Amino acid sequence: AQSVTQPDIHITVSEGASLELRCNYSYGATPYLFWYVQSPGQGLQLLLKYFSGDTLVQGIKGFEAEFKRSQSSFNLRKPSVHWSDAAEYFCAVGARLTGGGNKLTFGTGTQLKVEL
Amino acid sequence: DAGVTQSPTHLIKTRGQQVTLRCSPKSGHDTVSWYQQALGQGPQFIFQYYEEEERQRGNFPDRFSGHQFPNYSSELNVNALLLGDSALYLCASSPDWGARGEQYFGPGTRLTVT
Repeated sequence: AQSVTQPDIHITVSEGASLELRCNYSYGATPYLFWYVQSPGQGLQLLLKYFSGDTLVQGIKGFEAEFKRSQSSFNLRKPSVHWSDAAEYFCAVGARLTGGGNKLTFGTGTQLKVEL
Repeated sequence: DAGVTQSPTHLIKTRGQQVTLRCSPKSGHDTVSWYQQALGQGPQFIFQYYEEEERQRGNFPDRFSGHQFPNYSSELNVNALLLGDSALYLCASSPDWGARGEQYFGPGTRLTVT
């Protein structure tokens, strides 16, 4: 069964500083990988996705993530954080299911706080 | 282009009652999935509907059931509510029975069971 680990529950960075959120996954085949962001009381917004090909993927809001198969990681990065980036970030692995369809398995999330 | 919509936004129910939550998928999407997000946790997969049938199910009891209509909209029903059912319920839609993997989420319905 697939699983996702986000080792950092809380991260605090200063506005303008760089950011890296860690994600490790466990999955038997080539994974589909995603990062979602959730603002308080809101649903999940898709930041970026990896299916295959180039291991460095670009997303919305200036975010990027790098897939490293050897490390089973898919870390999220941003060169310069804005105060509006404060939110909870979820890494997810997508699995094709026997018989069709798919499901997402999420990590427990990383809460990002941005200091002005 | 409207995204995924859910209703109601908030709901308060009493233990033992039944609740129905509703979801309209993103235009062009034919697959609807439901997730439960408890406080401080990541979303957990409940089930997935495609062609008006439940195709996949996560580790949730039979008290959780659903339906998908011909227009691809969906309902989540929970019977005999428990305090532990209090959570944010998220609906997600995807095209082509999830062939491309990504799912697009609605804003959720916050269910409180007292």
